[in-house]
Amino acid sequence: AQSVSQHNHHVILSEAASLELGCNYSYGGTVNLFWYVQYPGQHLQLLLKYFSGDPLVKGIKGFEAEFIKSKFSFNLRKPSVQWSDTAEYFCAPRRGYNKLIFGAGTRLAVHP
Amino acid sequence: DSGVTQTPKHLITATGQRVTLRCSPRSGDLSVYWYQQSLDQGLQFLIHYYNGEERAKGNILERFSAQQFPDLHSELNLSSLELGDSALYFCASSAGTGSNEQFFGPGTRLTVL
Repeated sequence: AQSVSQHNHHVILSEAASLELGCNYSYGGTVNLFWYVQYPGQHLQLLLKYFSGDPLVKGIKGFEAEFIKSKFSFNLRKPSVQWSDTAEYFCAPRRGYNKLIFGAGTRLAVHP
Repeated sequence: DSGVTQTPKHLITATGQRVTLRCSPRSGDLSVYWYQQSLDQGLQFLIHYYNGEERAKGNILERFSAQQFPDLHSELNLSSLELGDSALYFCASSAGTGSNEQFFGPGTRLTVL
């Protein structure tokens, strides 16, 4: 069965700390990879996506992610977090034409 | 604002009842997807429609059904509601069925009492 694993369920950081959120998926073949963010009380927004090409992709708000095919991973990074990054982050691989398979999510709390 | 609209924002109802959630996709998008977000199950794909036709089903209960109308808006019907159906229901839309990103609506929060 297709599955996705996000290693950290809760992360607490101070402002300016670096962030890395792990994401591993269980299937091979062509995969489109997404990271979505859900700010408190808001809907899901796309942070970044990987379809093909350069495995290091840059998204909005200073986020980036690296696709490592051999490790089935697509980890999200940000060099210096801000209080406004407090949110829940979802890794979502997509195989095939339609459905996204969401990870359990990582709740990030950034303290000033 | 993603351009996807959902109504109502909040819905409170009783067990055994039936409700209808509505979604209007972004202008020009032909695909509509429904997702359920609950505390115990996380964010799960329910169903996908493309230009009026069902394309894929996920973890959707038999008590739930959906359709997409000629004007491309979609409705998710939930019947014989149970306490466990309380969740946030998201609709998303995309331009086609290929490698297009999905844009999410604000969701409908359903509370079953």
